[in-house]
Amino acid sequence: GIQVEQSPPDLILQEGANSTLRCNFSDSVNNLQWFHQNPWGQLINLFYIPSGTKQNGRLSATTVATERYSLLYISSSQTTDSGVYFCAVSGGGNQFYFGTGTSLTVIP
Amino acid sequence: NAGVMQNPRHLVRRRGQEARLRCSPMKGHSHVYWYRQLPEEGLKFMVYLQKENIIDESGMPKERFSAEFPKEGPSILRIQQVVRGDSAAYFCASSEQGKGYTFGSGTRLTVV
Repeated sequence: GIQVEQSPPDLILQEGANSTLRCNFSDSVNNLQWFHQNPWGQLINLFYIPSGTKQNGRLSATTVATERYSLLYISSSQTTDSGVYFCAVSGGGNQFYFGTGTSLTVIP
Repeated sequence: NAGVMQNPRHLVRRRGQEARLRCSPMKGHSHVYWYRQLPEEGLKFMVYLQKENIIDESGMPKERFSAEFPKEGPSILRIQQVVRGDSAAYFCASSEQGKGYTFGSGTRLTVV
């Protein structure tokens, strides 16, 4: 399967700070999604971004498929951004491969 | 659109009992996927189904686990004779062909 590495594994931010989360993957992909798992365990789809750049409010994401990485940017972080951020990729098969996540804690 | 609905949200079973987890996909989605998340880990693929067909069950344990997606009704993930190691969060996702996933809120199974 496709190996997915996320960095950093843990991140603590002061409210209002910006951050960049990285996702590297080991093979060509045709699907990539970023998810936020909130402290209650719910998985929220943030971006479906197999290539290019997308923005949604304070969040944006960029995937450079040819170089096998994706970045998630969080600006002006808020305490509600806390949780685990997962990157998941698919190479055209039937499953998505998940990274082990970046655990983000935003402190007031 | 109600999204992907999973129930129950929490399920407690004694060792040796059966667990049945239900998933209703988003309206218009014909592809259903089940994933398992062990504590402090990412999600691991279990099975991919379309209506009345199992397409890929390569991530499903060979024994005690089964899944179905009947013509009518929700998809069911069934775990027979549960053991403590089955305790995990089980997530269902649905999609249209070639599109991204939408996940349900998960079922948290605890085996005591």
